[in-house]
Amino acid sequence: DAGITQSPRHKVTETGTPVTLRCHQTENHRYMYWYRQDPGHGLRLIHYSYGVKDTDKGEVSDGYSVSRSKTEDFLLTLESATSSQTSVYFCAITPTAQGLEQYFGPGTRLTVT
Amino acid sequence: ELKVEQNPLFLSMQEGKNYTIYCNYSTTSDRLYWYRQDPGKSLESLFVLLSNGAVKQEGRLMASLDTKARLSTLHITAAVHDLSATYFCAVDIGTRDDKIIFGKGTRLHILP
Repeated sequence: DAGITQSPRHKVTETGTPVTLRCHQTENHRYMYWYRQDPGHGLRLIHYSYGVKDTDKGEVSDGYSVSRSKTEDFLLTLESATSSQTSVYFCAITPTAQGLEQYFGPGTRLTVT
Repeated sequence: ELKVEQNPLFLSMQEGKNYTIYCNYSTTSDRLYWYRQDPGKSLESLFVLLSNGAVKQEGRLMASLDTKARLSTLHITAAVHDLSATYFCAVDIGTRDDKIIFGKGTRLHILP
């Protein structure tokens, strides 16, 4: 347990509505990541952050935005949810030293109807 | 673009048998990770391999890395039912941001 929590853990929403997922960490790690996991695709990086207000896109960033105003919180927003964004979303952190593995939060299961 | 391929993607095996999961990647990297995921759960780190020839072992699992061949293996010895899970390899793409690319996972089902 790397002190990572995600909220909500489950959410059902309708197409076209905005959704924000929160990742919270308690250990002051610099790097934070958002992934989505879909059957047959493994985990794919959506966005990541390397510090407060420093974020960048991953391989599947279309339709998502992120914000990091505090070290401990990394927010993922779906501005207008679509059914293709139904997925399990994982947040991850890595300690500042390179070469160490990423630690994952418990995940958020999002269903867009 | 870095590609990470695992095979097999699904494996059903008997308890007591040995087997190997393969992870091939397409560009140079000397950092590779193995994770385990149980159904409905998060990912748990198993091994961190940081150099060519690295070998790590934990219980019935052993992971190795050959950076020249761009290949990592996860070997299971005398499988037991508790090892049933999905196993992912992930490769560091070598940027300062510690971004990693995941394989699609190998779903391992061990029959009692």
